[in-house]
Amino acid sequence: EAGVAQSPRYKIIEKRQSVAFWCNPISGHATLYWYQQILGQGPKLLIQFQNNGVVDDSQLPKDRFSAERLKGVDSTLKIQPAKLEDSAVYLCASSIDRDQAFFGQGTRLTVV
Amino acid sequence: QQQVKQSPQSLIVQKGGISIINCAYENTAFDYFPWYQQFPGKGPALLIAIRPDVSEKKEGRFTISFNKSAKQFSLHIMDSQPGDSATYFCAASGNSGNTPLVFGKGTRLSVIA
Repeated sequence: EAGVAQSPRYKIIEKRQSVAFWCNPISGHATLYWYQQILGQGPKLLIQFQNNGVVDDSQLPKDRFSAERLKGVDSTLKIQPAKLEDSAVYLCASSIDRDQAFFGQGTRLTVV
Repeated sequence: QQQVKQSPQSLIVQKGGISIINCAYENTAFDYFPWYQQFPGKGPALLIAIRPDVSEKKEGRFTISFNKSAKQFSLHIMDSQPGDSATYFCAASGNSGNTPLVFGKGTRLSVIA
């Protein structure tokens, strides 16, 4: 089966610019996650969707980050405006239930 | 607040040796404990997972030991190989109480010949 697809793989932007990441989960997976992984650290959950509803967004910096999951399938994560500390790998994952999560390769964001 | 505490931060093991990574948690709502393996430039991949109804689970060279009373679980890699060199993350989640999948900070394992 096809895995979780993410794009772009890499993105370099200047601070205060905006950026968007796209994720296509595994077909049939109701749960979708966005994680932020700073170099040398474990993934930190930003937001969790169940179908197209938000289950947990308690750690999403809502003043600059937003995410949506249209029709319960694809999802986009946006940052506007970006800060230097947003430099990280943004990982998308999906799962049938809340257990076995499959991750994409991630988008490496560099803010300069 | 870090919900899953992982140690050590880094580990060097001789080829053929046993690698042991430990994790501890506080949230009793957690009922699923996976370990993920991550290679550079890749996303984390599920390695093995356990639920609290068993104290041990083994898959090939990988074993999870789980101590519910101590709220600790560990990953043992037997006969460690250079190809096992990667970063390992423990994680936890719970279906009750809406507890999403949270990760430890990771252990960088190097297996040397």
